[in-house]
Amino acid sequence: DTGVSQNPRHKITKRGQNVTFRCDPISEHNRLYWYRQTLGQGPEFLTYFQNEAQLEKSRLLSDRFSAERPKGSFSTLEIQRTEQGDSAMYLCASSLTSDYNEQFFGPGTRLTVL
Amino acid sequence: GENVEQHPSTLSVQEGDSAVIKCTYSDSASNYFPWYKQELGKRPQLIIDIRSNVGEKKDQRIAVTLNKTAKHFSLHITETQPEDSAVYFCAASDGYSSASKIIFGSGTRLSIRP
Repeated sequence: DTGVSQNPRHKITKRGQNVTFRCDPISEHNRLYWYRQTLGQGPEFLTYFQNEAQLEKSRLLSDRFSAERPKGSFSTLEIQRTEQGDSAMYLCASSLTSDYNEQFFGPGTRLTVL
Repeated sequence: GENVEQHPSTLSVQEGDSAVIKCTYSDSASNYFPWYKQELGKRPQLIIDIRSNVGEKKDQRIAVTLNKTAKHFSLHITETQPEDSAVYFCAASDGYSSASKIIFGSGTRLSIRP
């Protein structure tokens, strides 16, 4: 499978715990995006990397959230001190650098905070 | 910031009839408008997109129209089939900027009645 992959697919945690998700983009894609999707809503942009550089972060991304892409390939998204409001599907997408932004999504990681 | 409004939120049509979903956007710099289809429990998948240098694009039973002056764009599905049942998201992006994040609408749940 040469598409975007994400691990784990599901994560259940207790409030206050830290969690980390991983995204592996399509191999030749140098742009990588993180989105959050809650039930009945469209994906909301969180942050974006071009190669290893994090170029933009949404206001939705509080200080408890951090994302990295150290070698310009896979990316991790960490949430510290999780809250019940963090429960959502976390989607990763990747694209090529081009004038137009065709993004391919991964299957997502569903986070449930108890 | 950029905002994308989508309506209707739910749409039920008889199999074989047409379905139309409409969106408006706020950022005049937007120049790339993808449409994603998301089936229950699955990742969003790009079904068609349109760039600002054209007013209409068609792919088999799916067509999109764009009115840049009015900041409106629409998805048209003809001869609907049961497998068209899903949630559809419109989106807008400034494809020329280095950020190029996609802003999604809130989605339309399309149901095809047999």
